[in-house]
Amino acid sequence: LAKTTQPISMDSYEGQEVNITCSHNNIATNDYITWYQQFPSQGPRFIIQGYKTKVTNEVASLFIPADRKSSTLSLPRVSLSDTAVYYCLVGPGGGADGLTFGKGTHLIIQP
Amino acid sequence: GAVVSQHPSRVICKSGTSVKIECRSLDFQATTMFWYRQFPKQSLMLMATSNEGSKATYEQGVEKDKFLINHASLTLSTLTVTSAHPEDSSFYICSASGPKARGQYNYGYTFGSGTRLTVV
Repeated sequence: LAKTTQPISMDSYEGQEVNITCSHNNIATNDYITWYQQFPSQGPRFIIQGYKTKVTNEVASLFIPADRKSSTLSLPRVSLSDTAVYYCLVGPGGGADGLTFGKGTHLIIQP
Repeated sequence: GAVVSQHPSRVICKSGTSVKIECRSLDFQATTMFWYRQFPKQSLMLMATSNEGSKATYEQGVEKDKFLINHASLTLSTLTVTSAHPEDSSFYICSASGPKARGQYNYGYTFGSGTRLTVV
């Protein structure tokens, strides 16, 4: 599985757009990029997944450059409830293998 | 969407006793389930992979005789922490591979809500 590097922590304010970048220089051709969100004392929750270019859903956007060596999770107009740890994972999936979580990014949103 | 229920959410037990944690897939069949452990301010660490009807596969450094995993049906996996000690106190999370969430390209991994184990 490709190793990922993310900032340990980030701070922002309510209403701002937050971008969290993840580096994955050794991403393989069949790897997807997936982001999870985890609140304290809860299990991770799927946010978004992509392979290349841009993916958008109701909660976030994921930007992936052509070389796929990095990706950026974009959270529009964050609120206090977006304070959480965000994990970037890279792998082929497939369902048979467990996931390898990195340290994640602790996002703190202030009023 | 796919739901994984984990029970109990919180348990306190005495040192030397055993604790069982249940993980159920409520609306889908999960051939494979996973167990993770998370210590405070740390990331999730995969402990073992559980396949229905067969023995679990444990990650390096995880004692299989201490963390007993049973996956007797397609909707239930259990983790039993035997002879628990204070150093086993942690947040245990199960996950099941199942239906893809909207926007997922590969298999979906749905996580339970976790179990906070405190051994006193």
